[in-house]
Amino acid sequence: GAGVSQTPSNKVTEKGKYVELRCDPISGHTALYWYRQSLGQGPEFLIYFQGTGAADDSGLPNDRFFAVRPEGSVSTLKIQRTERGDSAVYLCASSLSPRGGETQYFGPGTRLLVL
Amino acid sequence: GEDVEQSLFLSVREGDSSVINCTYTDSSSTYLYWYKQEPGAGLQLLTYIFSNMDMKQDQRLTVLLNKKDKHLSLRIADTQTGDSAIYFCAEKATDSWGKLQFGAGTQVVVTP
Repeated sequence: GAGVSQTPSNKVTEKGKYVELRCDPISGHTALYWYRQSLGQGPEFLIYFQGTGAADDSGLPNDRFFAVRPEGSVSTLKIQRTERGDSAVYLCASSLSPRGGETQYFGPGTRLLVL
Repeated sequence: GEDVEQSLFLSVREGDSSVINCTYTDSSSTYLYWYKQEPGAGLQLLTYIFSNMDMKQDQRLTVLLNKKDKHLSLRIADTQTGDSAIYFCAEKATDSWGKLQFGAGTQVVVTP
């Protein structure tokens, strides 16, 4: 497809479980971003990749959260020992580069519910 | 950290103009953005403005930037029911390549 895709669209898990969320960016986009959006809030930055490397992971809330982008395209956000407070919509975005005027194109998000 | 603040709700009649306001605190912000989010859909970039500009117009959208007061506004002319959505203001600082800081969003409801 032409846009950013994310799978799954919805994920329900139990407290303490491990989850993986996947993002397929727009082809050719070198920059990829993860954000988290809680109910009634704006997206909150988690991490961004330039190519395969994490250029800024300052938004990851703790060491239960980890993200990879091994081949510079698809990225996976991994959450260990999930907690109820992790419930949110996880948004992925990509752009041609991280330069200021480059548009970040967002995917539809993965809605995570931790019971 | 820096905050981006927006009013939470705006109700407007169809055909009127809507004005959504935003204030930001990071004086090093270089780009300021307006995104639209409709239910069940991803964030859609509407427009952006570079910090050395004070106005940008794009069809029905007008962005005004007051850098001295760190105030950004989005005006939608001839508001339509399809404009009902949540609108987010976001900033990107010079030293934060890639990272956008979003406000909490303004819910715009357009009534017939």
